[in-house]
Amino acid sequence: NAGVTQTPKFRVLKTGQSMTLLCAQDMNHEYMYWYRQDPGMGLRLIHYSVGEGTTAKGEVPDGYNVSRLKKQNFLLGLESAAPSQTSVYFCASSSWGQGTQTQYFGPGTRLLVL
Amino acid sequence: EDKVVQSPLSLVVHEGDTVTLNCSYEVTNFRSLLWYKQEKKAPTFLFMLTSSGIEKKSGRLSSILDKKELFSILNITATQTGDSAIYLCAVERTGNQFYFGTGTSLTVIP
Repeated sequence: NAGVTQTPKFRVLKTGQSMTLLCAQDMNHEYMYWYRQDPGMGLRLIHYSVGEGTTAKGEVPDGYNVSRLKKQNFLLGLESAAPSQTSVYFCASSSWGQGTQTQYFGPGTRLLVL
Repeated sequence: EDKVVQSPLSLVVHEGDTVTLNCSYEVTNFRSLLWYKQEKKAPTFLFMLTSSGIEKKSGRLSSILDKKELFSILNITATQTGDSAIYLCAVERTGNQFYFGTGTSLTVIP
């Protein structure tokens, strides 16, 4: 049971390049999330998914797209990377228990956009 | 606007001290409040609180929620160097959204 995994761990992009971050979970969780973490800003929700084939915008969705084609995977895409997207990206998944959810986080992807 | 505010932003204590971390929130349609510990990488779950006045305890850590005054505290007694980390507070609202505070950075000096 690997929990939540993310690939890649680290990536450097040039402005305008595109890339996809992959998140995978093996806990059969319905809900999956993408966050970014910046110094002094805490974790901010980019997009989330409440089930296979569904996605929704979070707090800071601009410049990102997501897809949830399979229940265990949640992809985060940057179509045209900008320096402002330099950040650490965390994926999380969760399930219901006792009327609420507990999130489990992946190890993070550090992205540098030059 | 929904927000979660943690205080203090940072804290330096000596081993054996007791610390109290604060989290206040203004979030519509509150469902639960969660505490996480973040060391070098991903946040790890500590507590989930849904009801006022009921203390959750795990070893030297404990937490309580006040839904009337909209805050929670996380206490750590007899601190150890391994407690050094960023402690994050998050509030879950209906609609499957989580709002995080900026965290409190705790440093425990031997």
